Amino acid sequence: LAKTTQPISMDSYEGQEVNITCSHNNIATNDYITWYQQFPSQGPRFIIQGYKTKVTNEVASLFIPADRKSSTLSLPRVSLSDTAVYYCLVGGMDTGRRALTFGSGTRLQVQP
Amino acid sequence: KAGVTQTPRYLIKTRGQQVTLSCSPISGHRSVSWYQQTPGQGLQFLFEYFSETQRNKGNFPGRFSGRQFSNSRSEMNVSTLELGDSALYLCASSLNTGLSYEQYFGPGTRLTVT
Repeated sequence: LAKTTQPISMDSYEGQEVNITCSHNNIATNDYITWYQQFPSQGPRFIIQGYKTKVTNEVASLFIPADRKSSTLSLPRVSLSDTAVYYCLVGGMDTGRRALTFGSGTRLQVQP
Repeated sequence: KAGVTQTPRYLIKTRGQQVTLSCSPISGHRSVSWYQQTPGQGLQFLFEYFSETQRNKGNFPGRFSGRQFSNSRSEMNVSTLELGDSALYLCASSLNTGLSYEQYFGPGTRLTVT
């Protein structure tokens, strides 16, 4: 699986848009990019997944440039409840296996 | 639809003992994966089961084992517990269809080894 690099931590204020960028220079052709969110003492929660361009759901948007060597998770108008660790994962689908490789993640702190 | 459930939620064991953790996946999900989370190592993949067969295994010693039953429920066992096995053990289930890395995690079992 491709290695990912994310900022260790980020700070924001309520109501702001937060963008977390993940670098994955060695992404393979069949790799997808997936983001998870984790609150303390809870299991991670799937946020969004994409292959290229832009993906949007009710929670977030995922921007992937044409070279796919990075991706940006965008959280619109964050609230205190968005304080969590965010993980960027990159992996292929060819084997059908579901082993997720988590990096260190980005600890987002939202202030009032 | 009920989420992934794990039992027990908390467990305290002594070094050398063994422990069995249980996971019930979301109804209809056939893939169950187990992860260990510690402050030092982060989230690490243990193994994945699909249709009662271990399909994938992480880099953990043989003291860690698991199994899956015909109803997709899964158990993991850790024998000869060590202090370093203290961790949050997470179970995740998925539909295993299509091109998705979407897994649904349970709340975890907090294991403390003394």
